[in-house]
Amino acid sequence: EVQLVQSGAEVKKSGESLKISCRGFGYRFTNYWIHWVRQTPGKGLEWMGIIYPGDSDTKYNPSFQGQVSISVDRSTDSAYLQLNSLKASDTAIYYCARFYNNGPARKLDYWGQGTRVTVSS
Amino acid sequence: DIQMTQSPSSVSASVGDRVTITCRASQDISSWLAWYQQKPGKAPKLLIYAASTLQSGVPSRFSGSGSGTDFTLTISSLQPEDFATYYCQQANSFPLITFGQGTRLEIK
Repeated sequence: EVQLVQSGAEVKKSGESLKISCRGFGYRFTNYWIHWVRQTPGKGLEWMGIIYPGDSDTKYNPSFQGQVSISVDRSTDSAYLQLNSLKASDTAIYYCARFYNNGPARKLDYWGQGTRVTVSS
Repeated sequence: DIQMTQSPSSVSASVGDRVTITCRASQDISSWLAWYQQKPGKAPKLLIYAASTLQSGVPSRFSGSGSGTDFTLTISSLQPEDFATYYCQQANSFPLITFGQGTRLEIK
């Protein structure tokens, strides 16, 4: 069974950094892109970036460039989202999702359970 | 950037009703559109991709249509478990994807 399992909820202070993990199970992790998506009540679902675990090719939403870093550890089938210089506005739920891209199908078919991040001043 | 606009933002309906949600893209995205359902405290769940292809395991009361800039998600006969928020998402500008703002489906 395909699963993406994310690390647990975090509470941080403004200015701190944070690294969220997303571990894949039940499929060849290196063969599928992983997206990172942020969800806030005010802005809904926002695409942050994507990584291909096979070769670590990474692309960022310009809106988040410089504020986040996405990486992968192939030895543990894990992707990571690092958030730097946290602000209260980074309070959100962060999701990883597998991207299936084949022929007419481009879809986020499996999602992690989400990691709730709370940033206080 | 491609903007996705859903309407309505919220809708009230009863069990057994037929409901249609619309999604409009700011430019032609061919059929690179997916629909997701999200329930409180849960991750989004894929319902439909390529505008009209039902994801495996999704009930047939869900259907999608459209191409270019205008798309619809239809639920033919609402069930109690369908009350949730629905999002459209474009995948034309891979790797960048964008979501609609969501449509909340509430019980009347």
